[in-house]
Amino acid sequence: GENVEQHPSTLSVQEGDSAVIKCTYSDSASNYFPWYKQELGKRPQLIIDIRSNVGEKKDQRIAVTLNKTAKHFSLHITETQPEDSAVYFCAASLGGATNKLIFGTGTLLAVQP
Amino acid sequence: NAGVTQTPKFQVLKTGQSMTLQCAQDMNHNSMYWYRQDPGMGLRLIYYSASEGTTDKGEVPNGYNVSRLNKREFSLRLESAAPSQTSVYFCASRTRGAPVGEGYTFGSGTRLTVV
Repeated sequence: GENVEQHPSTLSVQEGDSAVIKCTYSDSASNYFPWYKQELGKRPQLIIDIRSNVGEKKDQRIAVTLNKTAKHFSLHITETQPEDSAVYFCAASLGGATNKLIFGTGTLLAVQP
Repeated sequence: NAGVTQTPKFQVLKTGQSMTLQCAQDMNHNSMYWYRQDPGMGLRLIYYSASEGTTDKGEVPNGYNVSRLNKREFSLRLESAAPSQTSVYFCASRTRGAPVGEGYTFGSGTRLTVV
């Protein structure tokens, strides 16, 4: 089955710096790659996603890149702010009728003011 | 429109007790999922239901059973709780064939402690 690895497990940056979180997946048939943000004690919230026919997608300060050949994708956050502090999860899905999402193990991002 | 509703929010069980976690969605979604979240391990899929009347095992199904009662409701049952099942449980739902950008909708979670 699909396996998703995520690195780093913790990341500390200064306010205004950029943060990059990387994920690799095992099943080359995976075609949908969302990123979720989870604040302490809250449910995961979708922040950005990308399909396998697209190499990059950007939404304001957040961008995701996908390298299908290498089977890895990354989340980029620019001009980080203290409110970006949270746990971020990547995930991969084969799509289809089941739409199962397999998650990475999460990255705790701390933005120091 | 409540989205995905989970009950209870908190529960403490003794080893060997049973309980059912309830999940209901009002978005007319086809697919529903149960995940558990443990520190350092992300969200792991326990069971899922692609449509009413069907259920399938996920990554970590042992010790759990599920019931897709109707299109709205998907319950998770622990028949004999063990301390290893101490976790935060999330229910989620998704429309089949949903366009890009319409990922899962998660419930608010159930924090379960087994002593």
